[in-house]
Amino acid sequence: AQKITQTQPGMFVQEKEAVTLDCTYDTSDQSYGLFWYKQPSSGEMIFLIYQGSYDEQNATEGRYSLNFQKARKSANLVISASQLGDSAMYFCAMREDGDYKLSFGAGTTVTVRA
Amino acid sequence: DGGITQSPKYLFRKEGQNVTLSCEQNLNHDAMYWYRQDPGQGLRLIYYSQIVNDFQKGDIAEGYSVSREKKESFPLTVTSAQKNPTAFYLCASSIFGTAFNEQFFGPGTRLTVL
Repeated sequence: AQKITQTQPGMFVQEKEAVTLDCTYDTSDQSYGLFWYKQPSSGEMIFLIYQGSYDEQNATEGRYSLNFQKARKSANLVISASQLGDSAMYFCAMREDGDYKLSFGAGTTVTVRA
Repeated sequence: DGGITQSPKYLFRKEGQNVTLSCEQNLNHDAMYWYRQDPGQGLRLIYYSQIVNDFQKGDIAEGYSVSREKKESFPLTVTSAQKNPTAFYLCASSIFGTAFNEQFFGPGTRLTVL
């Protein structure tokens, strides 16, 4: 069964506007971590933000924030004040405690327009 | 600077050949991973290693082999038994521990079978 679902294959956003990338996950574990990575056209995976299942506050890192709704099993990424350099593919991933792998979603391609 | 290096960046293989992809890290991380990425898709785990001289199969290990003789190094061999090896290969590492440690990725190797 798919553990991470990203339903938006591609999105366009105007420069300086905010964009929300959807991510839902499936686990029966109580302890897990949720991650967002950015993959520019160069291919390298860049870690953006992390949310632990026990964290009560939504994670924030600069222009990135994670809208964590545990009961709905969703972990949406919000990018505020989009910049041209934000154009990339974005992946949501989950790691269950006791498991060493990251389970990735299929990704969302974001294109920022000037 | 600490990080993960992968070589080569591009690799071309003829049918029936084995090739080895290099991955080196100087982050002093215990755990290392190999992922495969096909166009427009997320990452899938091939192998991972938690400590030296020990490694475990991931979701798509068939046709691949690894070794972990040194903490810093985790080479991946793509054997002739791998039916469709053309893909982007990413190596990652993390602190040995719980779900709460992000994985750091190398720049990737793009393998093409001629």
